[in-house]
Amino acid sequence: GAGVSQSPSNKVTEKGKDVELRCDPISGHTALYWYRQRLGQGLEFLIYFQGNSAPDKSGLPSDRFSAERTGESVSTLTIQRTQQEDSAVYLCASSLLVAPPYNEQFFGPGTRLTVL
Amino acid sequence: GENVEQHPSTLSVQEGDSAVIKCTYSDSASNYFPWYKQELGKRPQLIIDIRSNVGEKKDQRIAVTLNKTAKHFSLHITETQPEDSAVYFCAARPPGFQKLVFGTGTRLLVSP
Repeated sequence: GAGVSQSPSNKVTEKGKDVELRCDPISGHTALYWYRQRLGQGLEFLIYFQGNSAPDKSGLPSDRFSAERTGESVSTLTIQRTQQEDSAVYLCASSLLVAPPYNEQFFGPGTRLTVL
Repeated sequence: GENVEQHPSTLSVQEGDSAVIKCTYSDSASNYFPWYKQELGKRPQLIIDIRSNVGEKKDQRIAVTLNKTAKHFSLHITETQPEDSAVYFCAARPPGFQKLVFGTGTRLLVSP
């Protein structure tokens, strides 16, 4: 079946502009995660959605970052007034949420964001 | 919060040798420890995971060991092959959360 998809695959923007990144999780996966991966670094948790529960926003680095998810489908990550330090690959993952906490997270291909 | 440290940052081995990557974690209540492999330009993919109630798990040439007392876990790859070359990330899931806290990655290079 189809895996997690993300769009765009690459985004180049100018400092100060807003950007919106999209994630389509695997159908039926109730949990959705966003991570950030800076060049040569590990994955840094940003936000987690699970059904209608309040999202875990504990990883968002500043109030310029926000994310939304409609039900158990698409999610968008928005970065306002982008800065050069926002340049990174933004990865989305989804998982089933059965017998927690042992749920494999399936990753999308990522969106490479470059802020000039 | 949970903190995961990973060593070494780079590892070069000859084909057929074994490779070992080690991670330590800070929250003794963390209960799930996956390992992801990321090939150049590709998405991370789960290769093996271990739960906190298990000490060792094997899957063909790959094994993971967990020492809860010392709060460290390791990835062991035997009979390495060039296609094992990639960046490997360890992670831990802290109690009460669904997020994963990742290590900084190990770049493994297997030379023919």
